[in-house]
Amino acid sequence: KNEVEQSPQNLTAQEGEFITINCSYSVGISALHWLQQHPGGGIVSLFMLSSGKKKHGRLIATINIQEKHSSLHITASHPRDSAVYICAVKSLLLQGGSEKLVFGKGTKLTVNP
Amino acid sequence: KAGVTQTPRYLIKTRGQQVTLSCSPISGHRSVSWYQQTPGQGLQFLFEYFSETQRNKGNFPGRFSGRQFSNSRSEMNVSTLELGDSALYLCASRRQGSYEQYFGPGTRLTVT
Repeated sequence: KNEVEQSPQNLTAQEGEFITINCSYSVGISALHWLQQHPGGGIVSLFMLSSGKKKHGRLIATINIQEKHSSLHITASHPRDSAVYICAVKSLLLQGGSEKLVFGKGTKLTVNP
Repeated sequence: KAGVTQTPRYLIKTRGQQVTLSCSPISGHRSVSWYQQTPGQGLQFLFEYFSETQRNKGNFPGRFSGRQFSNSRSEMNVSTLELGDSALYLCASRRQGSYEQYFGPGTRLTVT
């Protein structure tokens, strides 16, 4: 079983729909990242969370440390949101400032006009 | 401020050759991490460098190596290339004390 599981693997939505992507992890973490990867490969860091909730424009990310679960929500989805969304966690086992991210397999989102 | 840059962006090599990829972090960032992305395995951590020292290493064979220079630029080297090394190689930099990583555009390596 992977340390980081994402669901769904693929998601197709119509423009304007509310989107939710889920991430569950099995290790203790100090931070969780949501990343966006467009065709061509470039990765953009959307959020970094260690607790609670963060909002940036139409994007909202939440994390429940006790349940080891995080969600990424997109409100009023738009075709330009079409991308692969990747969840990554920094394991608590690695102390001393060392950064080793463990990644989910990603969720491919397609938003149709 | 310029972002993370990687060179070259595309590379084609044959089996058995070696390759060196370069990453220039954002100015002021001293930590550089390298990742491999393949369709089958997704993103996987290769190694992290900070102040010219390797701080952590992923589960990759010794053919994969790296180094960091005093100006924080980093290189990774893959020797005796195999077909399975075909991948997108990404580097990311971050400031000391911050968890947030900034990714470069990647180098797409094709091994034939």
